[in-house]
Amino acid sequence: AQTVTQSQPEMSVQEAETVTLSCTYDTSENNYYLFWYKQPPSRQMILVIRQEAYKQQNATENRFSVNFQKAAKSFSLKISDSQLGDTAMYFCAFGETGTASKLTFGTGTRLQVTL
Amino acid sequence: GAVVSQHPSRVICKSGTSVKIECRSLDFQATTMFWYRQFPKQSLMLMATSNEGSKATYEQGVEKDKFLINHASLTLSTLTVTSAHPEDSSFYICSARPAYSYEQYFGPGTRLTVT
Repeated sequence: AQTVTQSQPEMSVQEAETVTLSCTYDTSENNYYLFWYKQPPSRQMILVIRQEAYKQQNATENRFSVNFQKAAKSFSLKISDSQLGDTAMYFCAFGETGTASKLTFGTGTRLQVTL
Repeated sequence: GAVVSQHPSRVICKSGTSVKIECRSLDFQATTMFWYRQFPKQSLMLMATSNEGSKATYEQGVEKDKFLINHASLTLSTLTVTSAHPEDSSFYICSARPAYSYEQYFGPGTRLTVT
C-alpha cells in the first residue's frame, strides 16, 4: 500500500512571495502518477499539477511547479507570485496506474496567503 | 471539459432513513468512478471504486451493505447511505475517470447531515 506524507499542516505566505509545500511518499511501484490538488473553501477539488513518474522533467503550470525527486520519493510544490486566491488546502496525491488507478491522499497543508 | 456533477449538494435526513447521492460525468464517459468521504479538516478517504456494469470494490473497513454503490451507466454512479446514523454525517465526494486518462475529475461534493 502507498502512503503519502505532508509534514506541514499549515503554511503562510505573503502575497507575491514564493512558498514551497512538501510531500513525500512511499511505494514499491516504479510507474505511477503524482498530483497536487487544491481545495478552496468551496471544497471543490481542483487539480493544480500532475507528474508522471517516468518523466524526469519537473512539471510546471504557470505559477506552479514541482520538484520531483524519484529516488528520494519527494514531490514538493512551489507556488510563485502567491495570490490571495491561492488560499486553500493543498493535497498531495499518489496515483496508481493500471485498472484501479486509485488515489492516495496526504493529510493536506492549509495555505494562507496574506497581504 | 471533464465536468462532474453531484446531487444533492446538501441533504439533511433523519436517523434510520436512507439517502441517495448521484454522481454524473457530464461531458465524458467514466469507466471508473470513485467515492470518497471527508471529515472536517481531514483528508479524503477512499470508500469504494466502481466500474460500470460490475460490483463496486470497497476499501477495508467500509460496510458495503451500508454504503450501496451502483454504477449503472458510463455517466452515472449512485451512493446510497442506508439506515443513516449521525456518525454518517460527513462530506461525500465522487470522482470520475475517463478511459483515456489516469486523471480523476471531482464532483463538488455532498454534505450529509443525519439528525
